[in-house]
Amino acid sequence: KNEVEQSPQNLTAQEGEFITINCSYSVGISALHWLQQHPGGGIVSLFMLSSGKKKHGRLIATINIQEKHSSLHITASHPRDSAVYICAVCEGGGADGLTFGKGTHLIIQP
Amino acid sequence: DTGVSQDPRHKITKRGQNVTFRCDPISEHNRLYWYRQTLGQGPEFLTYFQNEAQLEKSRLLSDRFSAERPKGSFSTLEIQRTEQGDSAMYLCASSFNLKNGYTFGSGTRLTVV
Repeated sequence: KNEVEQSPQNLTAQEGEFITINCSYSVGISALHWLQQHPGGGIVSLFMLSSGKKKHGRLIATINIQEKHSSLHITASHPRDSAVYICAVCEGGGADGLTFGKGTHLIIQP
Repeated sequence: DTGVSQDPRHKITKRGQNVTFRCDPISEHNRLYWYRQTLGQGPEFLTYFQNEAQLEKSRLLSDRFSAERPKGSFSTLEIQRTEQGDSAMYLCASSFNLKNGYTFGSGTRLTVV
């Protein structure tokens, strides 16, 4: 079973700061997902990665397959970025379900 | 198509009662997943359907839990004889193929009192 660890668990930062959230996993995967969850529960998919780097607006996600590690970066952070960010991995090979980290609770203060 | 819909959004039930939740996936998505999330934790996989076939079940899915997707479209998750430990957010997600990722519903929050 894949062990997915995220750090930090909680992060409070000032508006405008550069944010980094880290994710490591223990078993090889077919894809890694970064998800955003707001209060109330709904989850939004931000990125799906199998290699390299992806960018969408102020969000950047990177993955290092050899080191089993991924990072999510937020540039020019804003209070509306406040949410729980969750890393999830898919092992593939017929096991289609995701294994999730516990999430990083991010608060951006104005 | 407005995405993945879950109903109800909230459910409060007395211990021992049965509850049923519904998930309507994106219409062209053949894969449907159920996850459970307790407070402060990440979601945990419960079960997975491809079309109407239930292909994978977690050991978290005790015999009080049953899920169906009778026509390969919407799915239901039933919990019989609810216990306080069943209190959680129940999330549904759907996918067309793994390369295109997943779309999540807003979840059903269950409180067992």
